[in-house]
Amino acid sequence: TQLLEQSPQFLSIQEGENLTVYCNSSSVFSSLQWYRQEPGEGPVLLVTVVTGGEVKKLKRLTFQFGDARKDSSLHITAAQPGDTGLYLCAGASRGSNSGYALNFGKGTSLLVTP
Amino acid sequence: DTEVTQTPKHLVMGMTNKKSLKCEQHMGHRAMYWYKQKAKKPPELMFVYSYEKLSINESVPSRFSPECPNSSLLNLHLHALQPEDSALYLCASSQDYRADTIYFGEGSWLTVV
Repeated sequence: TQLLEQSPQFLSIQEGENLTVYCNSSSVFSSLQWYRQEPGEGPVLLVTVVTGGEVKKLKRLTFQFGDARKDSSLHITAAQPGDTGLYLCAGASRGSNSGYALNFGKGTSLLVTP
Repeated sequence: DTEVTQTPKHLVMGMTNKKSLKCEQHMGHRAMYWYKQKAKKPPELMFVYSYEKLSINESVPSRFSPECPNSSLLNLHLHALQPEDSALYLCASSQDYRADTIYFGEGSWLTVV
């Protein structure tokens, strides 16, 4: 099993603040996905990054894949209460049994208060 | 919007009941998954179907029985469950088992009483 360490585990901030969530591993992944999950709902895919050094933007969210494809970050600018949720990173390793499914980090629970 | 549809959304069952969770996708995906998720924890893989054949069973107890009637449907049959089996059960699909991205349904909340 290829472990993904996510930090911080919990984050409580006020509306308008910026934040960064980190996802780190000692293993190389062929791709990495970020999901956001609200209570009682399934994870919703935010982005997939596949190229080392890749940066993708989704409105106020910026995702980066590390050059060595071992780590990733999610930066949110001017957070809003609607950003509240559980953020999960998940890594895929192509060409092995672990490619059948994703290795999930433990998640970052974000609370944005007005 | 998710294109993986799960029913029912909520299910309460007794320990002697037999029930089923259903999942459907029309994206032409050939890999389908069942995950189990406890509160504030990441999803845990239970089963993987690839081209309608069971390819991974993550040592799941036999009281959980998956079934893939065709490429669009995935069922999870439940029998003699325990209260600790109460969780959110997530169905997911991907283009095939080597795909980078897995798409999740909204989940079925199961409570065993």
